[in-house]
Amino acid sequence: AQSVSQHNHHVILSEAASLELGCNYSYGGTVNLFWYVQYPGQHLQLLLKYFSGDPLVKGIKGFEAEFIKSKFSFNLRKPSVQWSDTAEYFCAVISYYGNNRLAFGKGNQVVVIP
Amino acid sequence: DTGVSQDPRHKITKRGQNVTFRCDPISEHNRLYWYRQTLGQGPEFLTYFQNEAQLEKSRLLSDRFSAERPKGSFSTLEIQRTEQGDSAMYLCASSLDGAADTQYFGPGTRLTVL
Repeated sequence: AQSVSQHNHHVILSEAASLELGCNYSYGGTVNLFWYVQYPGQHLQLLLKYFSGDPLVKGIKGFEAEFIKSKFSFNLRKPSVQWSDTAEYFCAVISYYGNNRLAFGKGNQVVVIP
Repeated sequence: DTGVSQDPRHKITKRGQNVTFRCDPISEHNRLYWYRQTLGQGPEFLTYFQNEAQLEKSRLLSDRFSAERPKGSFSTLEIQRTEQGDSAMYLCASSLDGAADTQYFGPGTRLTVL
């Protein structure tokens, strides 16, 4: 079964700072990768996803993520954060051919200070 | 709003009582998933349906848990003889058809067992 690791569970940064959240997964086969975001008081929303093609994917609100197959990583980045980016961010992976369950990391709680 | 809806949003119950949650997926979505999320963790897969058929269950789904999707539309998740360890957020998600299709999440039902 696949597993997902997210580090630095609590991140505090100032507006305009750059953000990078790491995500590593363990699974040897073809996977689809996702970043979900949960804003305070709201439900999980899709931020971006990678299925195939260009390993650099762009999502909503200026976020992007890079899939590096050799490193089993799918790191999330944003060059300049805003106060409204305060949220919890979850990386998730699903096996393309295997079971049908999304495996989530523990999440990163990001707080942006105005 | 045509997203995934869940009812109730909050449920407080006493240990030993039975509870039932409902999920209404996005209308054209054939797949429906249940996840559980506890504090400081990402969502964990419980079970999923392809139309009305329950095709996969996690080991987390003990005998006290049962899920149905009788007409391939809404789904219910029942927990019998609740225990304090059942306190969590129960999330429902739906997707179009394939295992790798994006899953869209509802707001969740927060269960507190006293």
